[in-house]
Amino acid sequence: GAGVSQSPSNKVTEKGKDVELRCDPISGHTALYWYRQSLGQGLEFLIYFQGNSAPDKSGLPSDRFSAERTGGSVSTLTIQRTQQEDSAVYLCASSPRGTGVRPGELFFGEGSRLTVL
Amino acid sequence: AQSVTQLGSHVSVSEGALVLLRCNYSSSVPPYLFWYVQYPNQGLQLLLKYTSAATLVKGINGFEAEFKKSETSFHLTKPSAHMSDAAEYFCAASLDTGRRALTFGSGTRLQVQP
Repeated sequence: GAGVSQSPSNKVTEKGKDVELRCDPISGHTALYWYRQSLGQGLEFLIYFQGNSAPDKSGLPSDRFSAERTGGSVSTLTIQRTQQEDSAVYLCASSPRGTGVRPGELFFGEGSRLTVL
Repeated sequence: AQSVTQLGSHVSVSEGALVLLRCNYSSSVPPYLFWYVQYPNQGLQLLLKYTSAATLVKGINGFEAEFKKSETSFHLTKPSAHMSDAAEYFCAASLDTGRRALTFGSGTRLQVQP
C-alpha cells in the first residue's frame, strides 16, 4: 500500500481478554516500530524490528506484551490479559532503514485505539 | 538520563502571530532531531529534520527549526500562524546510536485563535 496500514482502527475489549493489533508497513521498509500514545502523554517506544528480528524490545511494559513480524513485512502486537491501563493508541511506524547513526524518517500509521473496559 | 523535553503542553496563538514551540534535548553527543505533527485522528507526519548538514532547517507548511548546540535546543517556529496549523507537535531525537528508536517529547498542542 501507499502508507502504513493499521487494524483495527478501534478496539473495545473487556479486562482480561487478549487482543491483537496488526501493522502493514510500507513495502520495502526494513525497519518497523511500535509506539504507545496514552492520553496526555508523549509517544512511548515499545519495540523495534529490523527485518523479522527484534533487536530492541526494551520498551515492552510487561510480559503480557509481545510482538512478531513475519516475511519482513506485517507485524502483530499481542496484548494478553488486557488491563485498563493498557488503554491507549498504539502507533506503528516503518522506515527504509533503522535509526542509529543515520536515522531514517519514520512513516506512521493512523493507529489502533484500544479501550479496555 | 538522555531525554527530549518540550516546554509547554499547550500553546495558544492568534492567527497571524508567531508560533514558537520549544524543544530541548539531553545527550552527550548532538543527535539527529525531528519535528512531527499530528492532526486530529491522524498519524504523525514529519515536519522537518536536522541531520547535521545545516543548523537552520526548513520544513513543510512554512515551519522551520534551528539547532543550537550550545543551548541543546531545537525550537520550532513559524512566522505567521494559520488556523490549519492547529495540531499536536512532537519533537523527537535519536539520542543513542545503540538504541534503535527515536525518543519523543511529550508533545505540545497548538491552538490557533481567530
